[in-house]
Amino acid sequence: AQSVTQPDIHITVSEGASLELRCNYSYGATPYLFWYVQSPGQGLQLLLKYFSGDTLVQGIKGFEAEFKRSQSSFNLRKPSVHWSDAAEYFCAVGPYNNAGNMLTFGGGTRLMVKP
Amino acid sequence: DADVTQTPRNRITKTGKRIMLECSQTKGHDRMYWYRQDPGLGLRLIYYSFDVKDINKGEISDGYSVSRQAQAKFSLSLESAIPNQTALYFCATSDSGTVQETQYFGPGTRLLVL
Repeated sequence: AQSVTQPDIHITVSEGASLELRCNYSYGATPYLFWYVQSPGQGLQLLLKYFSGDTLVQGIKGFEAEFKRSQSSFNLRKPSVHWSDAAEYFCAVGPYNNAGNMLTFGGGTRLMVKP
Repeated sequence: DADVTQTPRNRITKTGKRIMLECSQTKGHDRMYWYRQDPGLGLRLIYYSFDVKDINKGEISDGYSVSRQAQAKFSLSLESAIPNQTALYFCATSDSGTVQETQYFGPGTRLLVL
């Protein structure tokens, strides 16, 4: 069975500092990998996704993520955090064969941004 | 207008009551999903439907039922609500016809069972 672990429940960074949110997955084949963001009171918005090809993926709002197969990781990064990035971030994994895109989500990381 | 809408956005109910959460989409997608979100647990799949005649249980379907009334509508029912069903509920859709299938989420329904 597939699983996703986000080791950091809460992270606090200063505005302008760099950010890395960790995501580790367990899946028996090549996964589809996603990062979603949930702003307070909002639904989930897709930041970026990895299906195949270049392991460094660019997303919206200046975010990027790198797929590292050897480490079973898909960490999310941003070079300079803005106060509006404060939100909860979810990593998710889905099956490659797409016989149903059953997403498994991590527990989420809540990001707080200090002025 | 939002592509995936959920009604109501907030609901308070009492133990034992039957309630229905509704989801509508204008994206033309064939697949629809219901998740619940609990703090620290992320989102967990309750039910999913790949078309109007295809409905499947997810990871945590006990205590819930669903109805796919049309391609655009997918309802979640709690037949007899209990307090541990207090959660944030999300509907999502996806298009099986795309090579890179992505799920799109509604704004959520916050449910409190007293």
